[in-house]
Amino acid sequence: SQTIHQWPATLVQPVGSPLSLECTVEGTSNPNLYWYRQAAGRGLQLLFYSVGIGQISSEVPQNLSASRPQDRQFILSSKKLLLSDSGFYLCALGGGWGKTQYFGPGTRLLVL
Amino acid sequence: AQSVTQPDIHITVSEGASLELRCNYSYGATPYLFWYVQSPGQGLQLLLKYFSGDTLVQGIKGFEAEFKRSQSSFNLRKPSVHWSDAAEYFCAVDPPNTGNQFYFGTGTSLTVIP
Repeated sequence: SQTIHQWPATLVQPVGSPLSLECTVEGTSNPNLYWYRQAAGRGLQLLFYSVGIGQISSEVPQNLSASRPQDRQFILSSKKLLLSDSGFYLCALGGGWGKTQYFGPGTRLLVL
Repeated sequence: AQSVTQPDIHITVSEGASLELRCNYSYGATPYLFWYVQSPGQGLQLLLKYFSGDTLVQGIKGFEAEFKRSQSSFNLRKPSVHWSDAAEYFCAVDPPNTGNQFYFGTGTSLTVIP
């Protein structure tokens, strides 16, 4: 069965510091991978998605970036965090149109 | 404009009462439809999905949803709510020709009172 790991589970970072959140998946190959952000009390915002190694599509211009160095690894990064980057970050995997998206446990990021 | 609407931001029901959470979508063609549940501090768990066929679909935890094409709706129901159902519920659509990009509603927060 498919499993999604996200690391770390919780992170507190100062404004202006760098960020690296990792998502790894198991039990599948060549998945579509997604990064979502969920601000407190709000819905999900799609940040990036990837259909393959090195292929990244950005949905929202911002100071975040994503990379997919391996088939089952998806990384969310920032060079300098902003207060507005605080939120709950969710990684998801899917398999194309008509396929269910499955979500990881999330990373809670607090920028102070 | 294409959209997914969950008109109820917050709903409170008594334990044992019935529940209906509303979801409406606006897309040119019928998308695939999903309901997810999120407990505090957790990821999203799939409750059920509609792809085609029978418009009444059964999911986990005793939930069901009905697809109504004429109303562009996919409402979630449960006959008798349990205290453990308290959570955030999200409706999502996967429209055709968008490369498996889901669009989520803003969510409905459910409180269950004894």
